[in-house]
Amino acid sequence: DIQMTQSPSSLSASVGDRVTITCRASQGISNYLAWFQQKPGKAPKSLIYAASRLQSGVPSKFSGSGSGTDFTLTISSLQPEDFATYYCQQYNSYPFTFGPGTKVDIK
Amino acid sequence: QVQLQESGPGLVKPSETLSLSCTVSGGSISSNYWSWIRQPPGKGLEWIGYIYYSGGTNYNPSLKSRVTISLDTSRNQFSLKLSSVTAADTAVYYCARLITGTTARDYWGQGTLVTVSS
Repeated sequence: DIQMTQSPSSLSASVGDRVTITCRASQGISNYLAWFQQKPGKAPKSLIYAASRLQSGVPSKFSGSGSGTDFTLTISSLQPEDFATYYCQQYNSYPFTFGPGTKVDIK
Repeated sequence: QVQLQESGPGLVKPSETLSLSCTVSGGSISSNYWSWIRQPPGKGLEWIGYIYYSGGTNYNPSLKSRVTISLDTSRNQFSLKLSSVTAADTAVYYCARLITGTTARDYWGQGTLVTVSS
């Protein structure tokens, strides 16, 4: 199985901050990586697919980059609605695996 | 717009079989891969497995011995059975059409909490 790790596991930030979350795969996954946002009691919502492509309807303050084993999700200017937990997920090979999550909360 | 809705018992006894269904509306189940994912309370996401519209399946090796996913194209539904459950199987269970190499758009059900307890 491909193991996914994320850092940090949590972070505190202020409205307007630029936030970067890192995801690392235990082996190369090309660009078969998605990023999800999850709010309490809700299903995950995809933000990014193919490592850097913005999902339809997702604001451009979200961006993704990376290929191979190292990936980042950046939120350019954090807004109140962005406080949530973020997960990366590889879909290069089965079993699909998710990172452990990064919780973004208010400083 | 494709929508998914899970249904099934919210409480299952230890050693019994958890059974859930997912109804797909707004699109046909006769294409794409259809997955189950679970999330224990306060924890991360675990992919359980998928069924392809042709009936082929792929399960997470960690659950493979206990999982069966099946398809009912006449009802536009797919189902999950997880046998010999324990408290560790308590989780929110989601059905979804996940992003794949050929599918950029994903769709998720709202999730259903299944508690394993006597």
